Parts: sequence; structure tokens; C-alpha cells
Amino acid sequence: QVQLVESGGGVVQPGRSLRLSCAASGFTFSSFALHWVRQAPGKGLEWVSVISYDSTHKYFADSVKGRFTLSRDNSMSTVYLQMNSLRPEDTAVYFCARESGLYGSGNYDSLGTWGQGTLVTVSS
Amino acid sequence: DIQMTQSPSSLSASVGDRVTITCRASQSISDYLNWYQQKPGKAPKLLIFGASSFQSGVPSTFSGSGSGTDFTLTISSLQPEDFATYYCQQTYSAPHTFGQGTNLEIK
Repeated sequence: QVQLVESGGGVVQPGRSLRLSCAASGFTFSSFALHWVRQAPGKGLEWVSVISYDSTHKYFADSVKGRFTLSRDNSMSTVYLQMNSLRPEDTAVYFCARESGLYGSGNYDSLGTWGQGTLVTVSS
Repeated sequence: DIQMTQSPSSLSASVGDRVTITCRASQSISDYLNWYQQKPGKAPKLLIFGASSFQSGVPSTFSGSGSGTDFTLTISSLQPEDFATYYCQQTYSAPHTFGQGTNLEIK
């Protein structure tokens, strides 16, 4: 079945870096755009970033622009969120989500499949 | 950036009630509006995409409408499993902002 599994979360000090991974299975990974969405404890959903199916388009929330980068390895069916200069306000569960349609540019589609999330805690 | 304003932020209702949640965009987003349901400790689940199209497996008690800037999610007859938090999201233009959520509670 279609599945997304996030990993790489943990406790990190402010100013340090962390890389999250999202491993996909059950579908043709190279044909779908992938998003990251986060949720701070007790708060709502915040969209973070998206990478298009072919990596030509990448978009970021203003709150992470310049600090977070996104890449994908289609041979490994994995997308990576590199998070640098982490702040306490980055503390959240980070979800990976796949667009519903094929060959997405990162706009116009819905998020039809989600992973279970990985918790990132930024604290000294 | 496009701001999404969802109302109400919380709602108490009973099984069998009809409820409506609204979402307003700060500028026109055509029909690039999606609705998600989230239960505690779980990932969000897509309910409605393109403002009014049903995701496979979603009960027919759910419906979505609207275009441009104003959208609604309606649950025609609440079931016990419908008590959750609901979010709208625009995917017209990045950043793909979510509404602040509506917490639907049992009265």
C-alpha cells in the first residue's frame, strides 16, 4: 500500500541542524510532488515546503526560508528536509505528505497521503 | 502570502446535527481549496479537494462548496466519528497556507 515514513526527529539545541527523511513505498515516487507540514504542540497545521516531482520547483514558508532546504533522491524513494539554524519555534511534529495527482509542480493539488510524523524538539 | 481565515475556531454539536464551517481567503484562489480532518495524535486526512470534490471513501454526509474567496464545509448529519479538528488549505499559490482549524466537539 501507499506509505510514507518520516524519520530523523529528535532533540536538538538552538542554532544546530537536523535532517529529516521521508521514505516512500507503494507508488512511483519519481512521479509525485512531496510536501512537509508541521504542527507545534497543541497548535494547528503549518505548511512548510514542497518539492516538485522532478525537483525543478521548490517552495518554502517565510518562517523557514533561507534556513531549510529540500531535496529528493528518486533512486532511494526518499525526500530530505535539511533544517539549519534551528529555533525553539521550530519545535513541532513534521509530517511528509504526497500530492494526490501525478507530475505536480507543487501548486494546485491536494495532499492525499500523509506519513505519521516525526517530532523535532529544539531546546537547550 | 494568502491568508486563510477559518470560522468558527470551535463548535459544539450533537450527533445528527448539521454543521457548517467556513473558510475565507485573503484573495481569490479559484477552487484550489482543500479540507482535512485531523484526530488527536493522528495525521490529517483529506476529505474534500478542489473545493467540492470528494476524496475516495469519504462519507456522503460531507460536502464542500465555494470558489474565489469564500468556501464552506458542511456535515449534513454528524456521526460520532466526525468529532475532530477540521482545516482548510489553499494550494493556489505557495506558501500553501492552512486555516487555523475548527475544533468540533460533542455537546
